[in-house]
Amino acid sequence: DAGITQSPRHKVTETGTPVTLRCHQTENHRYMYWYRQDPGHGLRLIHYSYGVKDTDKGEVSDGYSVSRSKTEDFLLTLESATSSQTSVYFCAISFDRGSYEQYFGPGTRLTVT
Amino acid sequence: AQSVTQLDSQVPVFEEAPVELRCNYSSSVSVYLFWYVQYPNQGLQLLLKYLSGSTLVKGINGFEAEFNKSQTSFHLRKPSVHISDTAEYFCAVSKGDDKIIFGKGTRLHILP
Repeated sequence: DAGITQSPRHKVTETGTPVTLRCHQTENHRYMYWYRQDPGHGLRLIHYSYGVKDTDKGEVSDGYSVSRSKTEDFLLTLESATSSQTSVYFCAISFDRGSYEQYFGPGTRLTVT
Repeated sequence: AQSVTQLDSQVPVFEEAPVELRCNYSSSVSVYLFWYVQYPNQGLQLLLKYLSGSTLVKGINGFEAEFNKSQTSFHLRKPSVHISDTAEYFCAVSKGDDKIIFGKGTRLHILP
């Protein structure tokens, strides 16, 4: 158990509504990541953070924003959810960059109707 | 840009038989390589990693992988699989910067 929790674990929402997913860690790791997992696509990086208030885009960042005001929390926001954002979202943490492995949370299953 | 190709989307194997899951990567620089496993309805867990040194890497649950620089491969092997190995396996590569690139995954089906 890498001390990562995600909330909510399941959510159903309607198209056009805002949604915020939370990732919380107790490990004091510097790096935090948000991925989405879809059949046939594996894991795709949405955004990541390398410190408080330091974030950067991944390969599928359109339609998503993030914030990190504290080391332990990394929030992912869908400003106006679309059906294409129906997915399983995983948060991951890493002690440092590159050669260090990532530890994953349990995931959030989001359905946009 | 670096990329990862997992050559098989699904691999069926009889219980107690050996298995190899294939992974090839492309990168113009030295890389770090990882294999992760995802059991149903769970997040990913690290199986093993190659950073440097011996090209044969041993991981958890009896898995091992061999780094082959000339063939740019990092295939995962297990000599005898068990029903509990049913999962999806992801190969991943990093060039030491902020990100890890994941392959699309290989589903391992264990047949009784």
